[in-house]
Amino acid sequence: DQQVKQNSPSLSVQEGRISILNCDYTNSMFDYFLWYKKYPAEGPTFLISISSIKDKNEDGRFTVFLNKSAKHLSLHIVPSQPGDSAVYFCAASALGNQFYFGTGTSLTVIP
Amino acid sequence: EAGVAQSPRYKIIEKRQSVAFWCNPISGHATLYWYQQILGQGPKLLIQFQNNGVVDDSQLPKDRFSAERLKGVDSTLKIQPAKLEDSAVYLCASSRAGELFFGEGSRLTVL
Repeated sequence: DQQVKQNSPSLSVQEGRISILNCDYTNSMFDYFLWYKKYPAEGPTFLISISSIKDKNEDGRFTVFLNKSAKHLSLHIVPSQPGDSAVYFCAASALGNQFYFGTGTSLTVIP
Repeated sequence: EAGVAQSPRYKIIEKRQSVAFWCNPISGHATLYWYQQILGQGPKLLIQFQNNGVVDDSQLPKDRFSAERLKGVDSTLKIQPAKLEDSAVYLCASSRAGELFFGEGSRLTVL
């Protein structure tokens, strides 16, 4: 049972434009959400997170939006840069326990 | 601060052979996780340790997989005997304040 879903396996965006990566979850007990970025042959690295008490968190070019009623979160990258090309994983946890990951979205930023 | 260390980075074995992976978490991180990431999928939790105790091993195939964290620091994950479907990247992670820090992973190919 996939509790965290990323329905878009891939996304291509022109450099300078906005990248929007989406994530849906099913468990209403999740209270903490994270985005990880993964380059080939490397482990995932933490990018940005959001607590369920917020609906937006911003860090430089990266903003995560949380819509609890829709059980949906999204990651916005603006402006997108070629170095952002990677696989992005959405993750969720309840009370800091087990982390559930989505299947990832491969982002390609075209120069 | 040193990151999560894993070895070996790559391992190729034949089916029915055994393999062991080692992980050294970030100093002071009490919680350690082993994840399995099959190509095209998100990381799937195999086992979670809190210090040297097991918190969750519900998704660990216990007939062939075993893991230990004897002194609450380093951990080893063993597969014996390996099957073709065990080909994956095995990621170790440690956590602090609800954030996961991953190692670079150990890529296993079972022939």
